[in-house]
Amino acid sequence: QVQLQQWGAGLLKPSETLSLTCAVHGGSLSGYYWSWIRQPPGKGLEWIGEINHSVSTNYKPSLKSRVTISADTSKNQFSLKLSSVTAADTAVYYCVRGGVPAAYDYWGQGTLVTVSS
Amino acid sequence: QSALTQPPSASGSPGQSVTISCTGTSSDVAGYNYVSWYQQHPGKAPKLIIYEVSKRPSGVPDRFSGSKSGNTASLTVSGLQAEDEADYYCSSYAGSNNYVFGTGTKVTVL
Repeated sequence: QVQLQQWGAGLLKPSETLSLTCAVHGGSLSGYYWSWIRQPPGKGLEWIGEINHSVSTNYKPSLKSRVTISADTSKNQFSLKLSSVTAADTAVYYCVRGGVPAAYDYWGQGTLVTVSS
Repeated sequence: QSALTQPPSASGSPGQSVTISCTGTSSDVAGYNYVSWYQQHPGKAPKLIIYEVSKRPSGVPDRFSGSKSGNTASLTVSGLQAEDEADYYCSSYAGSNNYVFGTGTKVTVL
């Protein structure tokens, strides 16, 4: 059974860099796309970007200049960095596994990241 | 890359059916058979219930069904149960290695 366990700082100040990591248990990074999705409080879901085992990445165009997704295959982990955060980046961030396009079958527990001065 | 449009709310009595629409464009929903649906209960992570327009992952009851016509995808929940009360989101491949979600629909079981 695949499980995703994520962690990272939950409170940031404006202009800081958001950093989250997701460990994949019970499966390998190989053969899948690994994404980050966020959900502002009380709002809908937003796809941020993805990486595959060969470290090919794709990002949402409007976030591309601030986002970096990386993977450490030796640790079976992947990470998200989002620079220059503002209050608009306040959200629950989820790490997810994708196989078929747009089909995310395993989700992390979510991390609430709050940006506040 | 705008969010797909869903009705804010839908409701039905136990045992009835409810259908949720998800409207996009020729660049996403109409252009690819990669539409998924997710169920999200309060405080929980979303759960995949439909992928590739109409396929159900293992363990998802056949009360959940999906379809697509043109730029609109639909999710039907038949035989509504109290546990089906949740938020539902659609998602579609939008080309050029991008993905878009719907605005979300809150389903209430009366």
